[in-house]
Amino acid sequence: AQKITQTQPGMFVQEKEAVTLDCTYDTSDPSYGLFWYKQPSSGEMIFLIYQGSYDQQNATEGRYSLNFQKARKSANLVISASQLGDSAMYFCAMVSGAGSYQLTFGKGTKLSVIP
Amino acid sequence: KAGVTQTPRYLIKTRGQQVTLSCSPISGHRSVSWYQQTPGQGLQFLFEYFSETQRNKGNFPGRFSGRQFSNSRSEMNVSTLELGDSALYLCASSLGSARSTDTQYFGPGTRLTVL
Repeated sequence: AQKITQTQPGMFVQEKEAVTLDCTYDTSDPSYGLFWYKQPSSGEMIFLIYQGSYDQQNATEGRYSLNFQKARKSANLVISASQLGDSAMYFCAMVSGAGSYQLTFGKGTKLSVIP
Repeated sequence: KAGVTQTPRYLIKTRGQQVTLSCSPISGHRSVSWYQQTPGQGLQFLFEYFSETQRNKGNFPGRFSGRQFSNSRSEMNVSTLELGDSALYLCASSLGSARSTDTQYFGPGTRLTVL
């Protein structure tokens, strides 16, 4: 069975500071993909970053980077230089297994950026 | 390129009624997935369609059904609505290649309220 665990229900960060959102995953399949999504209060899920299980380097997308530690089964999201617009729910998700196209989501972390 | 669109954005129904939600994927995307989001259960996978065929199905009762048309547009139907069906229903599209780890891009969601 696949499982995503996000242990931080809520976090606060000062504007312009960096913040790390934790995510651990569990799967027995060697081939999987890890995703981070942002969900503002409007409800839309916005794709941020992707890391494949066979990728040698950590993924980066602008101010977002993914700290992928395969042996520890963790895929933490790092947001650098936080902005007020970063205040939202953040979800870690995974797809694993051949022929499985479903995303398994964690419970999310609510990030609040303080001016 | 236009994003994923969902209609309607908001819906209010009463118990026992049925409802149909629509999703238009990103142009060129052939896979459409549906997710239900509730405060209690979080994000849960409903089903996924590719080339008018359901490839994956989540653990939901038969009252939840869907279909996909030849232009990749998808609809989901919920019959005999229950109070617990009140949720944000999110549709996501992806390329639909053999890679199950294709990024899924989400629409704005349909917020269903059952009275």
